[in-house]
Amino acid sequence: EAGVAQSPRYKIIEKRQSVAFWCNPISGHATLYWYQQILGQGPKLLIQFQNNGVVDDSQLPKDRFSAERLKGVDSTLKIQPAKLEDSAVYLCASSYPGGDEKLFFGSGTQLSVL
Amino acid sequence: AQSVTQPDIHITVSEGASLELRCNYSYGATPYLFWYVQSPGQGLQLLLKYFSGDTLVQGIKGFEAEFKRSQSSFNLRKPSVHWSDAAEYFCAVGGTGGTYKYIFGTGTRLKVLA
Repeated sequence: EAGVAQSPRYKIIEKRQSVAFWCNPISGHATLYWYQQILGQGPKLLIQFQNNGVVDDSQLPKDRFSAERLKGVDSTLKIQPAKLEDSAVYLCASSYPGGDEKLFFGSGTQLSVL
Repeated sequence: AQSVTQPDIHITVSEGASLELRCNYSYGATPYLFWYVQSPGQGLQLLLKYFSGDTLVQGIKGFEAEFKRSQSSFNLRKPSVHWSDAAEYFCAVGGTGGTYKYIFGTGTRLKVLA
């Protein structure tokens, strides 16, 4: 079974630039999550999708972050414009309905904003 | 407010020694509790989970955890640590009615001495 795929693996940008991350969840997983993991901290939920609808985006900084999940499969997270404090690992995870709520995580995208 | 506290940022043990990682939570109802492990450059992997029933749960890689409601704790244990267990460990609480939202602790980094 293929895991959660994320790209790119690393990204370095300057502040005020824009950046996009891509995630392809495990086939059949209806729920998709984007987490932000700042160095030394635990992952923080940014947004949760159920199919192509947003379930929870209460912690997403909507003035600069946006995410979409067209067709209920893969998803894109965008930051525009980036700030220094956005430097973090962005993790995508997915889960299947009716299961044990286990999250399957991708390897993440490490973003450095200079 | 819901929260998870992992009081130990770093722990060092010798290979073959026993291990206990602490986790305390604050949650309004009976929580769903999880332990995840993150190896360098990797996403998080579920070790074990507690939903209900037996308060001592077994997980993968020889790990176990015990839910103690009176202490609001869910400590992770392993009787004999292997060098490959060196990683970062995250405790998480979840189960917010309808939408499944995890809150992660800040993690404990485990170092194993040969």
